[in-house]
Amino acid sequence: DIVMTQSPDSLAVSLGDRATINCKSSQSVLFSSTNKNHLAWYQQKPGQPPKLLIYWASTRESGVPDRFSGSGSGTDFTLTISRLQAEDVAVYYCQRYSTTPPSWAFGQGTKVEIK
Amino acid sequence: EVQLVESGGGLVQPGGSLRLSCAASGFTFSDSWMHWVRQAPGKGLVWVSRISHDGRTTTYADSVQGRFTISRDNAKDTLYLQMNSLRADDTAVYYCAREGPPTWGILTLVYDYWGQGTLVTVSS
Repeated sequence: DIVMTQSPDSLAVSLGDRATINCKSSQSVLFSSTNKNHLAWYQQKPGQPPKLLIYWASTRESGVPDRFSGSGSGTDFTLTISRLQAEDVAVYYCQRYSTTPPSWAFGQGTKVEIK
Repeated sequence: EVQLVESGGGLVQPGGSLRLSCAASGFTFSDSWMHWVRQAPGKGLVWVSRISHDGRTTTYADSVQGRFTISRDNAKDTLYLQMNSLRADDTAVYYCAREGPPTWGILTLVYDYWGQGTLVTVSS
């Protein structure tokens, strides 16, 4: 099984500062047939379902503020919140797709709080 | 507006069964691949199952293979999850989620819409 490991488990950031979350996959999530990294990021606020932020490692979902950005390729990925706002307090999950067999897996989550 | 509304959760004894439903609206349900994802209280997200747009192809996580069955009724715009032989570790909020449509002809393989979830508690 492909294992997704996020770091850190939690972080506290001052309003307006940068937050960086890392996600490491035990196997590459780059698909040679499409040249796409099947790695996504979701935000989950308390009592709410997750919300898609980023897919293909760096493509921002429609309507997502541009302070959210994703980067990385292969096995190592990063979600950056460039200027943290109060409404960004949430748990963030990375998620990968694997083909053999078809399956989806999430990282353990990273809790972002205000310092 | 896309809406996914789950129902059918509740308290069930170990070894029991439950069927969850997810009513879809605001999009062409019969075009969309659909998933179930669960989240145990205070824990992370876990993928459970996926079904093709026409219901012919299904995939399951190892933890539920042989116990859970995903299905759909495109005439009713409804997704189902039949859960049998339930165990305490199946206790979770169960979300239905839509797999987003292809972008530039390439599958995104991510969930662009989620329901609010329905809580399943397995306990004696």
